[in-house]
Order: sequence, then C-alpha cells, then structure tokens
Amino acid sequence: RKEVEQDPGPFNVPEGATVAFNCTYSNSASQSFFWYRQDCRKEPKLLMSVYSSGNEDGRFTAQLNRASQYISLLIRDSKLSDSATYLCVVTKRSQGNLIFGKGTKLSVKP
Amino acid sequence: SAVISQKPSRDICQRGTSLTIQCQVDSQVTMMFWYRQQPGQSLTLIATANQGSEATYESGFVIDKFPISRPNLTFSTLTVSNLSPEDSSIYLCSATTEKLFFGSGTQLSVL
Repeated sequence: RKEVEQDPGPFNVPEGATVAFNCTYSNSASQSFFWYRQDCRKEPKLLMSVYSSGNEDGRFTAQLNRASQYISLLIRDSKLSDSATYLCVVTKRSQGNLIFGKGTKLSVKP
Repeated sequence: SAVISQKPSRDICQRGTSLTIQCQVDSQVTMMFWYRQQPGQSLTLIATANQGSEATYESGFVIDKFPISRPNLTFSTLTVSNLSPEDSSIYLCSATTEKLFFGSGTQLSVL
C-alpha cells in the first residue's frame, strides 16, 4: 500500500460547483498534514494545513480523520483559477521528510 | 514566508555529464531539502541538506550520484552526476520556516 494515496482524477467541474478530494495515508504515526496546490510546470505551494478539528479558509475546508487515516479537501463555488493539481502531504517527523501523494487534478470549466 | 531562488530553471544535458542546481533562500533556514518529481509522479525526497555536515540521503539515493553542498544557512546546491535519460525530471529545493516552501524548480532533460 502506498504511503499517501489520492484519486488522480481528473475532476472536471463547472464553475460554481462544489468538489471534494480525498486522501488516505498508511502510517498511523504521521504527525502533520497539508494540502498543496501545484499548477502545471510550477512548484507546489502550500494551500492549507489540516487539523483534527477541521479548518476553513474562505471557500476551502480541510478535514482530518485520524481514526480512519483520511484527509479531505472541499472546494465550494469553484473558480476557473482553482484549476490545478492538489497534493495531499503527510509528515512522519516534526520537520522535513514530507510524503507527497501523486495529486488530484482539477479542471474547472466555464 | 521565505523566498527561494532556484536556478537554472531548465537545462538540456548530454548523457554522462553533470548538472549543478543552486538554491538561494532570502533568510537563514536550518533545514533545506531536495526533491525530485518525475513525469506524472509525486515528489520524492532525495536528501536533507545539513549546514556544516554531510547531507542525509533517503533510501535509493546516494551521495556519489547526488552530491549536495550546504556551505551556509541560506544556500545549497545539488549536483546530478553521470546523467542518463532516466534522470530527466523536475528537481525542487525547499526550506522550512514555519511551513515548507519550494524553489521554482529545475526541469532537466537528458539526451
């Protein structure tokens, strides 16, 4: 089983749609969790951290379920500019050694 | 947030040669990292660049193939040596302040 697994997509949605991405991780000792966004041929950029209590940043909501080893990202009211690949990231140690999922590709259409 | 300048942004190299990639951070950082992202794949950590000591390599990566320098707290280089077409990939450096930030990447193509 891969350490971090994501549905590769692509998810093709119309503007204004709500879309959810899921991610599972295999190591129960994982400590920190993040969603990164990567545009085509660009470096990954931090979108948001993921906390057990769940957290929201504007149209984006992230959830963590430690018991199920499951992370989610919800995007509401999708914009064309949300089109990108979303990477689920898990750390095993307090710093560094981030484990990246392969990413889920999102394409928002007019 | 940290700003990381990485160069070159892309290069085309001949088989058997080497390429050195540089990363400059605009502030002092304790830890810098080098990642590889092969086409259609996730990022894979190559090594952690430690200031004042040898880099720490992940399983499957060795110093002879990927020598790393970290002369101070704002700079690091990664050399990909004895290039083969299988080394064609994007190489990314990163650093942690409160979060992990990335350089803009180096797209390497080996002919």
